[in-house]
Amino acid sequence: GEDVEQSLFLSVREGDSSVINCTYTDSSSTYLYWYKQEPGAGLQLLTYIFSNMDMKQDQRLTVLLNKKDKHLSLRIADTQTGDSAIYFCAGGDMRFGAGTRLTVKP
Amino acid sequence: GAVVSQHPSWVICKSGTSVKIECRSLDFQATTMFWYRQFPKQSLMLMATSNEGSKATYEQGVEKDKFLINHASLTLSTLTVTSAHPEDSSFYICSAWAYSGRAGTDTQYFGPGTRLTVL
Repeated sequence: GEDVEQSLFLSVREGDSSVINCTYTDSSSTYLYWYKQEPGAGLQLLTYIFSNMDMKQDQRLTVLLNKKDKHLSLRIADTQTGDSAIYFCAGGDMRFGAGTRLTVKP
Repeated sequence: GAVVSQHPSWVICKSGTSVKIECRSLDFQATTMFWYRQFPKQSLMLMATSNEGSKATYEQGVEKDKFLINHASLTLSTLTVTSAHPEDSSFYICSAWAYSGRAGTDTQYFGPGTRLTVL
């Protein structure tokens, strides 16, 4: 199985960029995923990256993958208060990290 | 758009009884569904992968006789918590992938979850 680790908290000011980091152990994952869970709402798949890519951009979201270091990051540009949520990364076997609670201050 | 529903959304039962939770894909077929449980303020823990027409694959440490999974059709998977005890109280979430046929555009949908409280 895969161990996925994330820092637990991140606080940024509105308009700044947020970078959420994740490390994983299993290098055989075909895809790596980022999810968002807002308070009182269900989980949402934000984006995912194929393991042979090193970057994927989707509007304000940029995913960077460093396979050598087994490091995955999610960058949110121009962070808004509506981005406040818990963000989970997960490996190809659908195992989740502990989640990073992003707080966006106005 | 594609939706995954769960029923019931919450259930309270007495210790020793069994509870069935349904997970449905509403406008797409799901050959594979995933069952998770989430404790308060914690991450999701993958319990099992439910495969249509075959036995579920359980994660290490998850008792398959305790958590019975049946995936009898392409739109329905059920999780039955047998002889439930207070420690089984949790938030159970299912998910399914909707495959578009084009690489990189598949989407995973989550059910809204079922809160189980065992007294």
